[in-house]
Amino acid sequence: DGGITQSPKYLFRKEGQNVTLSCEQNLNHDAMYWYRQDPGQGLRLIYYSQIVNDFQKGDIAEGYSVSREKKESFPLTVTSAQKNPTAFYLCASSTSQAEAFFGQGTRLTVV
Amino acid sequence: GEDVEQSLFLSVREGDSSVINCTYTDSSSTYLYWYKQEPGAGLQLLTYIFSNMDMKQDQRLTVLLNKKDKHLSLRIADTQTGDSAIYFCAEGGHTNAGKSTFGDGTTLTVKP
Repeated sequence: DGGITQSPKYLFRKEGQNVTLSCEQNLNHDAMYWYRQDPGQGLRLIYYSQIVNDFQKGDIAEGYSVSREKKESFPLTVTSAQKNPTAFYLCASSTSQAEAFFGQGTRLTVV
Repeated sequence: GEDVEQSLFLSVREGDSSVINCTYTDSSSTYLYWYKQEPGAGLQLLTYIFSNMDMKQDQRLTVLLNKKDKHLSLRIADTQTGDSAIYFCAEGGHTNAGKSTFGDGTTLTVKP
């Protein structure tokens, strides 16, 4: 089945740790995106990549980093510099203006 | 900058119609989208409308676009309990559907 897969579904991070969220797609999409969702709020764009080996900052990139070494994969690292990382993280991919496909999300909690 | 506004909550009875409203600011948006999010899940595209259209119908869903007022609505006919979810309005499509500006979402509760 074609789709976009995020893992893990739940992730716990200690203060001061870096953690990496995985996002893989087999839709052959060039563009991939990371969004953050907080309760009662919409999605805010963290980073996006329109092609392999290239990515751009979104609206809230501080404290996050990404890489795009393969077309299928766009991992997001939440660094210790991100002061309020507890949130629901959504990855998406797209190849057109008409539709974006979202993963099922990773819920990150700082303990 | 770009902004998308939605009311936060809507409650309807099963079998009634639901109307979720949205306003946006970017007059250059080429596509406007409605997404559905069930608890603990990602977003699922319900429908979209191209900016030069006034209306789009897809089974129980009707999207109306008033470009002059920058107002978008989603009507769900014969609302069912399975329609209970958060509905997000989004604008964008300048380059790609993934790079959109989202509203805060409207939580739709359907009572039996």
